[in-house]
Amino acid sequence: KQEVTQIPAALSVPEGENLVLNCSFTDSAIYNLQWFRQDPGKGLTSLLLIQSSQREQTSGRLNASLDKSSGRSTLYIAASQPGDSATYLCAAVLMDSNYQLIWGAGTKLIIKP
Amino acid sequence: GAVVSQHPSRVICKSGTSVKIECRSLDFQATTMFWYRQFPKQSLMLMATSNEGSKATYEQGVEKDKFLINHASLTLSTLTVTSAHPEDSSFYICSARVPPLPYEQYFGPGTRLTVT
Repeated sequence: KQEVTQIPAALSVPEGENLVLNCSFTDSAIYNLQWFRQDPGKGLTSLLLIQSSQREQTSGRLNASLDKSSGRSTLYIAASQPGDSATYLCAAVLMDSNYQLIWGAGTKLIIKP
Repeated sequence: GAVVSQHPSRVICKSGTSVKIECRSLDFQATTMFWYRQFPKQSLMLMATSNEGSKATYEQGVEKDKFLINHASLTLSTLTVTSAHPEDSSFYICSARVPPLPYEQYFGPGTRLTVT
């Protein structure tokens, strides 16, 4: 059974720092992996999608990497800002699950001004 | 990116009544939509997969007769919570899968349901 784990569960850093959020998955037979952002009481915003054949994707200050062999993905946020404060969720799509998302529990990120 | 809307954003209803939540894909056709439920400080729980023109596929433990899903068109799926009880109070989120592969999912803004 595929499990997705996110560490840490919560993270608080001063504004301006670079930071890394971690996501691990138990089954390397994934189709793709998505990173999402959720603000309190809101829906999800898709940040980055990495296909299984890719190693990384970049969007602005965000960079997501994927290492299928080790079962890990990281989301790197450069020069963090208070507006980056949110819960970040990763989700893996399995090849044999009708492309359903398997969710991590999320990392709650607080950027202190 | 693709836009998914939900209506209403918030709804308060009395115990025993039914509530309908709409999920629309605004600028694309979605043959597959998903309905999730999220409890406070928890991740999303998949309730069902909604396929246009066919019956929804429910996850284990989700009551089909209580959570009615209809996907009558390529841009609209509805979730009806029947005979709502306070324990049904939650945040309901829909998503639409964008073809073709790699089938990225886009999410609606969610609906906060409170049953009194």
